[in-house]
Amino acid sequence: SAVISQKPSRDICQRGTSLTIQCQVDSQVTMMFWYRQQPGQSLTLIATANQGSEATYESGFVIDKFPISRPNLTFSTLTVSNMSPEDSSIYLCSVAVATNEKLFFGSGTQLSVL
Amino acid sequence: GENVEQHPSTLSVQEGDSAVIKCTYSDSASNYFPWYKQELGKRPQLIIDIRSNVGEKKDQRIAVTLNKTAKHFSLHITETQPEDSAVYFCAAIYSGNTPLVFGKGTRLSVIA
Repeated sequence: SAVISQKPSRDICQRGTSLTIQCQVDSQVTMMFWYRQQPGQSLTLIATANQGSEATYESGFVIDKFPISRPNLTFSTLTVSNMSPEDSSIYLCSVAVATNEKLFFGSGTQLSVL
Repeated sequence: GENVEQHPSTLSVQEGDSAVIKCTYSDSASNYFPWYKQELGKRPQLIIDIRSNVGEKKDQRIAVTLNKTAKHFSLHITETQPEDSAVYFCAAIYSGNTPLVFGKGTRLSVIA
């Protein structure tokens, strides 16, 4: 397993601003992912955070809106840029320790955009 | 790519009854099928998983069955308890570098 620290746990932001979410893992992991979960909805993959290279984004998500960093095997950040109310959601960091199978999730960041 | 359909979206059962949640997947190459439980305000947590070389797996009151021919798998919870109330997500993947694809979730309510 892995212990994942995600912060902030929640934030209320103004339209047009940006928020950076941090994800710290207590051990080196092979894969890190960022998911979005809108109220009452499923888990939608935003991107795979690649160590030392650009993230791999899913359809509908772009780097300009959701820039991601992963400087090492234990840390990643997701920035939600130029926010609008439609970005209000829970953002979850997740990691796979060995293979891409068993995912462990951070506690999430609940974002509200006014 | 993989697509996972999950039914029902909501399910209410009496305490002590059984609950069954079903998922179908589209990619016949998928070989790993986990189930996650998400309690209100909490993070999703893996509760059971099954690989394509196995037809059924049990862990106390929960079990998962897999039908590769029909490309569907199911979660079975017996003797349900109020603490089983949560949203359950199925997922599928072909082991490698591709990420999990999740179903839309089932909100299970166990009525005492």
